[in-house]
Amino acid sequence: GAGVSQSPSNKVTEKGKDVELRCDPISGHTALYWYRQSLGQGLEFLIYFQGNSAPDKSGLPSDRFSAERTGGSVSTLTIQRTQQEDSAVYLCASSSDPAPTDTQYFGPGTRLTVL
Amino acid sequence: GQSLEQPSEVTAVEGAIVQINCTYQTSGFYGLSWYQQHDGGAPTFLSYNALDGLEETGRFSSFLSRSDSYGYLLLQELQMKDSASYFCAVSSDNYGQNFVFGPGTRLSVLP
Repeated sequence: GAGVSQSPSNKVTEKGKDVELRCDPISGHTALYWYRQSLGQGLEFLIYFQGNSAPDKSGLPSDRFSAERTGGSVSTLTIQRTQQEDSAVYLCASSSDPAPTDTQYFGPGTRLTVL
Repeated sequence: GQSLEQPSEVTAVEGAIVQINCTYQTSGFYGLSWYQQHDGGAPTFLSYNALDGLEETGRFSSFLSRSDSYGYLLLQELQMKDSASYFCAVSSDNYGQNFVFGPGTRLSVLP
């Protein structure tokens, strides 16, 4: 079946604009994760959704970041009033059961560049 | 806080064996995972250890010592395509919420 998909693959925006990133997890996967990866760096956890439960937002770097997951499937990550330090690759991953026992499958990422 | 440490870079030649270490300090521990990421690509799962010992999957093996808060990824019969970044990750609870990645080790395989 299809893997995790993300859109857009690349996004260039001006400082101060809002952006919306989309993630389509693997069908049937209940757990969904958002990560951020700056150039040459590791993965920074942002937010986690498990089914229809309230998300764990503990990793969101500021109140400009928000995310939702509709119907326990598609998720959108919104960044308001973007700043240059928001430039990074935003990765989404899903798993059929929550970690730690289950593998996370990653999407190709959205490369965000804030000018 | 929670932290994981890995060497930043490792270089080896084709056919060799290389070990990438990972030490961790986390508030809880349920398992250690390893992911591979090629330049421009997404991370892909390699292995998972919840119990002490060695897990072998083809050319790749992963080891865990919970008492030492330490694990490693062992890559045998290195191939050029193994050149990538390797990340260890710790699950610090059983609900999937606290999943922390290490900074990554960049492996370069030389001919």
